[in-house]
Amino acid sequence: EVNLLESGGGLVQPGGSLRLSCVASGFTFGNYDMSWVRQAPGKGLEWVSSISGNAESTYYADSVKGRFTISRDNSKNTLYMQMNSLRAEDTAVYYCAKAPLGARQFLHWGQGTLVPVSS
Amino acid sequence: DIQMTQSPSSLSASVGDRVTITCRASQGIYDSLAWYQQKPGKAPKILVYGASSLESGVPTRFSGSGSRTDYTLTISSLQPEDFATYYCQQYYTTPYTFGQGTKLEIK
Repeated sequence: EVNLLESGGGLVQPGGSLRLSCVASGFTFGNYDMSWVRQAPGKGLEWVSSISGNAESTYYADSVKGRFTISRDNSKNTLYMQMNSLRAEDTAVYYCAKAPLGARQFLHWGQGTLVPVSS
Repeated sequence: DIQMTQSPSSLSASVGDRVTITCRASQGIYDSLAWYQQKPGKAPKILVYGASSLESGVPTRFSGSGSRTDYTLTISSLQPEDFATYYCQQYYTTPYTFGQGTKLEIK
């Protein structure tokens, strides 16, 4: 059974930094592209970033480009999101998500971790 | 970026009703479209991918259709557990984009 478990969320001040983690189990992690999707309180879903299985390719939404960095450690079955220069509008639940092999739709999701950005 | 325009934004319906939600892409996405259901406090759950392929385990009362820029999700006979928010998403190209959501409420 596929399991994705996010951690690392918590209150952070504007301008601050935070690193999210997503530990994966139940599949061969390095074979799959992984993504982060966020949802601001009471709002819709927003794709944030994706990374290929071998970490050679990364993609970002314009809203986070230059501030967020996606990475992965396939030896630890873990996906990361380093978030710098955080803004109030980054406040959201952050989900990690996995597509089926060779596909791009998000089949598996974690439970999410909340990142409030506030002074 | 490809904009996804979803309608309606909210919908009131009764158990047993047939419901249709539409999603229009600002350019052709050639069936690279998924539909998700989300309940309060929970992660989204995929229902349909490839515009019309039902994900394993999803009840057959859900169906997707459409082509190029215009897509629909239909629930043939609403059940109590179907009251939720629904999102379309294009994965044709990054940035992947979602519709703004349709909140389906009990009439």
